[in-house]
Amino acid sequence: DAKTTQPNSMESNEEEPVHLPCNHSTISGTDYIHWYRQLPSQGPEYVIHGLTSNVNNRMASLAIAEDRKSSTLILHRATLRDAAVYYCILGGDNYGQNFVFGPGTRLSVLP
Amino acid sequence: GAVVSQHPSWVICKSGTSVKIECRSLDFQATTMFWYRQFPKQSLMLMATSNEGSKATYEQGVEKDKFLINHASLTLSTLTVTSAHPEDSSFYICSARDWGARDGNTIYFGEGSWLTVV
Repeated sequence: DAKTTQPNSMESNEEEPVHLPCNHSTISGTDYIHWYRQLPSQGPEYVIHGLTSNVNNRMASLAIAEDRKSSTLILHRATLRDAAVYYCILGGDNYGQNFVFGPGTRLSVLP
Repeated sequence: GAVVSQHPSWVICKSGTSVKIECRSLDFQATTMFWYRQFPKQSLMLMATSNEGSKATYEQGVEKDKFLINHASLTLSTLTVTSAHPEDSSFYICSARDWGARDGNTIYFGEGSWLTVV
């Protein structure tokens, strides 16, 4: 499975934008880039995913580098509820393929 | 969006007993579900892939006779921890892919089940 590299932790102030980076230099042509987040004592929550083009949804934006070897999850205005561990995961379109979780980035949001 | 639900959300059992955790896909059919385990301050570790109507596929190092998985229907997979011991205490999470959805590449996770063995 292609691996991803994320910073262990990041801090942000409330109501400021947050840019969470992810490196995936060994990504294959069919790998989608998925982002999930996990709050304490909860299962992972879907945030966003994309293949080549930048993506926006109500939770966040995903900026994908032209060579697809890196991506950035953008939270436009961090709130205290956004404090969580964010996971960047690569996954193909094989139905039986599972997701391999790395350590993720622990985001702290300061009031 | 698709919903995956687990039950119970937490359970305490005595050492040596067995406990069953259920994972349901509430509004879609899932021929494949995944079971993860997560210890405190660690990431999720895949335990096994549950296939409807066939045997589960276990990851290396996971005892199939201890962690029994049954996927008898398209919306239900169960994980039974047999002869539980305190070291089995963990957060167990299931997931499933809604292949029929427009965004069929997304995997949805259950809320997780805390198991404490005393």
